[in-house]
Amino acid sequence: QSALTQPASVSGSPGQSITISCTGTSSDVGGYNYVSWYQHHPGNAPKFLIYEVSNRPSGVSNRFSGSKSGNTASLTISGLQAEDEADYYCSSYTSRSTYVFGTGTKVTVL
Amino acid sequence: EVQLVESGGGLIQPGGSLRLSCAASGFTVSNKYMSWVRQAPGRGLEWVSVIYSGYNTHYADSVKGRFTISRDTSKNTVYLQMNSLRAEDTAVYYCARVIAARLAFDIWGQGTMVTVSS
Repeated sequence: QSALTQPASVSGSPGQSITISCTGTSSDVGGYNYVSWYQHHPGNAPKFLIYEVSNRPSGVSNRFSGSKSGNTASLTISGLQAEDEADYYCSSYTSRSTYVFGTGTKVTVL
Repeated sequence: EVQLVESGGGLIQPGGSLRLSCAASGFTVSNKYMSWVRQAPGRGLEWVSVIYSGYNTHYADSVKGRFTISRDTSKNTVYLQMNSLRAEDTAVYYCARVIAARLAFDIWGQGTMVTVSS
């Protein structure tokens, strides 16, 4: 199972919006709406941000939003803040009843 | 408080075995899907294994046949038995709870480091 493809890095200024893409195949992202997103500050446990493509768990800021078109899912962070600087990963359930993560995107706040 | 605490990591020689533990509190592992995810140094997150209801388990191709996930409901703990360890298994290993209806990882532990080296 190959990792989902994400851009290595994305950057933006405070207050701006950025979008991170996550591209898979019809056997994972394109075949199911079980796409989730995670924020990871190195040294800490990953934080659960989005489930089922576009749903936010309780307590997650509404600045984080998700969407999907075909085999590509996206995470948008609006009103970028310094605390958003972290690594972001998408994940998808697969046709083999397994999971696959994205390659990860480092977000830098300029 | 809902929490996962991993333990059992350390330095092990290639070809050796290690068992990781994931102690849960605030919920019961017996009726939850549980998973292991790892992150090698300088690399991204990699899904390793999941245990669904009963003894239904699945593994990443990279560990299939070498790793075994299990749970002990009396100890409210999930395990990852790792055999025939290789240098490329060196990573921080995270335990995570899977929301059954959402198939997403909602609770994560802090991780335990496994280093495979001679």
